Amino acid sequence: KAGVTQTPRYLIKTRGQQVTLSCSPISGHRSVSWYQQTPGQGLQFLFEYFSETQRNKGNFPGRFSGRQFSNSRSEMNVSTLELGDSALYLCASSSTTVNTEAFFGQGTRLTVV
Amino acid sequence: DQQVKQNSPSLSVQEGRISILNCDYTNSMFDYFLWYKKYPAEGPTFLISISSIKDKNEDGRFTVFLNKSAKHLSLHIVPSQPGDSAVYFCAASAAGNEKLTFGTGTRLTIIP
Repeated sequence: KAGVTQTPRYLIKTRGQQVTLSCSPISGHRSVSWYQQTPGQGLQFLFEYFSETQRNKGNFPGRFSGRQFSNSRSEMNVSTLELGDSALYLCASSSTTVNTEAFFGQGTRLTVV
Repeated sequence: DQQVKQNSPSLSVQEGRISILNCDYTNSMFDYFLWYKKYPAEGPTFLISISSIKDKNEDGRFTVFLNKSAKHLSLHIVPSQPGDSAVYFCAASAAGNEKLTFGTGTRLTIIP
């Protein structure tokens, strides 16, 4: 069974630009969550999608948005990039079973210059 | 407000001995707890979890203990191996909520 796949692995963008990251969950998993990891803040929850609907949202500005498609694949978009958006962005998928573990992709390393 | 805390940023243990990583939480709504292991520039790898209806869960060399009254959990690794050197994150979720709240991590170094 293939794991969670995130593309691209690395990305360099200029301040003010926008970026789209992609995540393909494990087959059969319908919940996809996004996290931001920075050295100072650790792993911070961005949002979670289930059946194309955003179910949960973390404390991030509106510049961070996402969506989920009917095949459960998800995209995350960050507009008007700031230097502080430089981070490792992680996607996790889980099944619909209650209290089940989330499986993470390898992440996308975004650098804003 | 850090709802999940890992107060030891780092831990060094001799190979073959027991590694004990600790985690405290403040939110009494948390009912499911997980441990993840992470290498640099990679995503976290799930290790072991425990539901709040249990106080212990074992999987091979890994055991997680949960003390609900103290809002404390710990991960025991026995025996510790060099490949266990990584950053370990404790995470928690509340009933019916996929959102994971993570601790800040503990860097475990196994000394050969």
